[in-house]
Amino acid sequence: EDQVTQSPEALRLQEGESSSLNCSYTVSGLRGLFWYRQDPGKGPEFLFTLYSAGEEKEKERLKATLTKKESFLHITAPKPEDSATYLCAVQEAGGSYIPTFGRGTSLIVHP
Amino acid sequence: DAGVTQSPTHLIKTRGQQVTLRCSPKSGHDTVSWYQQALGQGPQFIFQYYEEEERQRGNFPDRFSGHQFPNYSSELNVNALLLGDSALYLCASRLTGSLETQYFGPGTRLLVL
Repeated sequence: EDQVTQSPEALRLQEGESSSLNCSYTVSGLRGLFWYRQDPGKGPEFLFTLYSAGEEKEKERLKATLTKKESFLHITAPKPEDSATYLCAVQEAGGSYIPTFGRGTSLIVHP
Repeated sequence: DAGVTQSPTHLIKTRGQQVTLRCSPKSGHDTVSWYQQALGQGPQFIFQYYEEEERQRGNFPDRFSGHQFPNYSSELNVNALLLGDSALYLCASRLTGSLETQYFGPGTRLLVL
């Protein structure tokens, strides 16, 4: 069973059409949850770290939220340049600092 | 402030060959981790180096080995290449003891024919 599950696998939006990406996790305790953006053929670019339920972080059109078992990445009025794969990763409390990644959500925003 | 750099950017090898990939961490970082990312998958942890020693290892065979140098740069070596080793290899660095997250390099795209 995957510890980190992201949904949907792929998402197509029209420019300006807001939506949310989901990351659910099954670790018993959470040290931290990370969101990354990855463009094709490039390394992941760090976006946010969330540590506790109820925490929220924002950056431009992106807002990440965290509950006890999942995180959402809300994209408000997306633009074509927001097209990328969004990766979620989880660090388990009491374990190593090595994060476990989900498979990502591929987002395409059409003009 | 230089970020994480990796070389080469692309590489083509044949089955059975050996390959060495290189990584220079972000300035001020002392810990380097290597990941393998197959197409359509999330990054899979290979191993982590700190103080020139392998500290943690993921579920990868001994064909995958590494090294960290005194200047914190690192190499990933893969022996007896298989077709399934074709992937994007990512290096990430962080400062041990810091709450700051790790930062990734641009990756090396390896194709095994």
